Amino acid sequence: DTEVTQTPKHLVMGMTNKKSLKCEQHMGHRAMYWYKQKAKKPPELMFVYSYEKLSINESVPSRFSPECPNSSLLNLHLHALQPEDSALYLCASSQVGGGDGDTQYFGPGTRLTVL
Amino acid sequence: KQEVTQIPAALSVPEGENLVLNCSFTDSAIYNLQWFRQDPGKGLTSLLLIQSSQREQTSGRLNASLDKSSGRSTLYIAASQPGDSATYLCAVTDSWGKLQFGAGTQVVVTP
Repeated sequence: DTEVTQTPKHLVMGMTNKKSLKCEQHMGHRAMYWYKQKAKKPPELMFVYSYEKLSINESVPSRFSPECPNSSLLNLHLHALQPEDSALYLCASSQVGGGDGDTQYFGPGTRLTVL
Repeated sequence: KQEVTQIPAALSVPEGENLVLNCSFTDSAIYNLQWFRQDPGKGLTSLLLIQSSQREQTSGRLNASLDKSSGRSTLYIAASQPGDSATYLCAVTDSWGKLQFGAGTQVVVTP
């Protein structure tokens, strides 16, 4: 099973709301990633977790808060977002991450709209 | 800083023609290069991964080459079909495992 699942598929939230995005994989991968993709642009890396520890934070604003409760699950908690945060949020996983250069498997994404 | 460029930005071909997509990168210190496909509003599907020590990879109608010293990769899709219509992204992996993406080539295959 080479599947990464993401929920919800779509999310509409106001600027004062708190919501969470969820990502799950059951491939035994130990690295998980959050990306943000604006329309007609390539994905931009936000966070990397390796062995359940945050290893990379690409200077993402604190209104985005990642969490990795276990090796299969990755959450992204959202609070006080801005309309410009509207985008497709993609989760990915790979076997070990780091410099080993293994294949990243992407989920279908959550389409987020901030009103 | 690694820069990844894809040319052309868009491509339209009639069904049956071969597709040639180009990717170039500025820093040859990469671990691998991946080609992805993305359908509108969807996630990315990994097509091929070429390790830095390899010259090419093949999967079905797809063939990707890598020339690390010149900073170039080419994705060939043989005998294109309307179902091949999508955006194709190349990405290089740096030593942190971070993917640096190109802006993509939008492909339309007309019946």
